[in-house]
Amino acid sequence: EAEVAQSPRYKITEKSQAVAFWCDPISGHATLYWYRQILGQGPELLVQFQDESVVDDSQLPKDRFSAERLKGVDSTLKIQPAELGDSAMYLCASSTFPSWLAGEPTDTQYFGPGTRLTVL
Amino acid sequence: RKEVEQDPGPFNVPEGATVAFNCTYSNSASQSFFWYRQDCRKEPKLLMSVYSSGNEDGRFTAQLNRASQYISLLIRDSKLSDSATYLCVVNAGNQFYFGTGTSLTVIP
Repeated sequence: EAEVAQSPRYKITEKSQAVAFWCDPISGHATLYWYRQILGQGPELLVQFQDESVVDDSQLPKDRFSAERLKGVDSTLKIQPAELGDSAMYLCASSTFPSWLAGEPTDTQYFGPGTRLTVL
Repeated sequence: RKEVEQDPGPFNVPEGATVAFNCTYSNSASQSFFWYRQDCRKEPKLLMSVYSSGNEDGRFTAQLNRASQYISLLIRDSKLSDSATYLCVVNAGNQFYFGTGTSLTVIP
């Protein structure tokens, strides 16, 4: 079964340092999402790509976060400088472009294992 | 108002019990609906999509009420392995919105 790959799985860093996370979506999935999830809360969208283009980055703290998906396949999320409040799980997900099958939408998201970031 | 709202629980139920979760959404133009299961410190995993006619997968039944803008998940004959957080997810305008999740603990 195809899976979304993410690395690293765990990252511990000191505040003011730079960190980068990598995601490889399921092959053929045009849409890629980066989420941040704080313990006890639902995932919060940071950025959404359609192929290589950013569709939504309205919740991305652009003073310190950046994301790219240069060739429309894998993606990198960077934080520079990291702050204590950035400690969270960073999840990558992918989905096919929305389509319809038998009258129902088929646009399911599949998540990678996540990167757990701890900022000291 | 949040796009998706869920009762966070926790729900503590004995093995074999039936438990139901509800979720409400605010955008009447929402197109697709899902329940995800998330184990502690793991990624969300798709439990089931929720179709207009309702759908069932073994012990799990999902229903959608567009008029009242809510989604439900029913778990019958609860197992210890059902203990997890259940996330309600709604797609509106090609963006996915997540509830905060409902915590379920099944007790022996």
